[in-house]
Amino acid sequence: EVQLVESGGDLVQPGGSLRLSCAASGFTFSSYEMNWVRQAPGKGLEWVSYIGRSGSTIYYADSVKGRFTISRDNAKNSLYLQMNSLRAEDTAVYYCAREKSGGDWNYFDYWGQGTLVTVSS
Amino acid sequence: DIQMTQSPSTLSASVGDRVTITCRASQSISNWLAWYQQKPGKAPKVLIYKASSLESGVPSRFSGSGSGTEFTLTISSLQPDDLATYYCQQYTTYWTFGQGTKVEIK
Repeated sequence: EVQLVESGGDLVQPGGSLRLSCAASGFTFSSYEMNWVRQAPGKGLEWVSYIGRSGSTIYYADSVKGRFTISRDNAKNSLYLQMNSLRAEDTAVYYCAREKSGGDWNYFDYWGQGTLVTVSS
Repeated sequence: DIQMTQSPSTLSASVGDRVTITCRASQSISNWLAWYQQKPGKAPKVLIYKASSLESGVPSRFSGSGSGTEFTLTISSLQPDDLATYYCQQYTTYWTFGQGTKVEIK
C-alpha cells in the first residue's frame, strides 16, 4: 500500500525557517517524481514545488522561489521542503504528492495527509 | 501561466440528482486535466485524469468530459458520500488548480 506521511509542521515566527519531511513507503520511491502542494486555511490547492526522480530537475511556484528548497533522499525514501524567510501567507497545510509515472507532466495519484505550518508572531 | 476557473463555487443538490461542475482553462490544455475530490479534513483524491478517464476504484457515477479549454465533471446520481469540494487541475505546463466547487447535500 502506498503511503506518504508528512511531518515537521509547526508554529513559526515570520522570517523563520522550517523543514518539512515526507516519508514514502509501499512503492519504489526513486522511480517517481514528487511534489509539494499547499492549502491555506479555508482556501484552495496551490502547487508549490516539483522534484524529478534523481533530484536533478526542480521547479518552484513563483510565490516560493528563492525562499523554499525541495530535495529528496532516495536511499531514505524521503522528500523534503526547506522553507526559509517564512511569511504569514505561507500558513497552510502542506501535502506531499506523488506524480503518476509516465509522460512529461502528470497528475498526482497519491497524497499524504498533510502537515500544518503556521506563520505567526 | 495557465489559469483554471471553476463554476459554480458552491452548489446544493438532493440525493439522486445529476450534478455538473464546469472548469475553464485560460488557454488550450488539450485533455491534460484531472479532477480531485477533497472531503472535509482529508487530502485530495483523484477521480478523473486525462479529462475523461476514471481512476481505478472510483465509482462509475463520476464522469468527465471536454477538451481544449472547457471541461465538465458530472456526478450522475448524487450520494451522501459525495459531500466534498471538487477541484480541477491542469498538467500541461506545471500544475494549476481551479478554485474549487463545494458540493452540499440538500
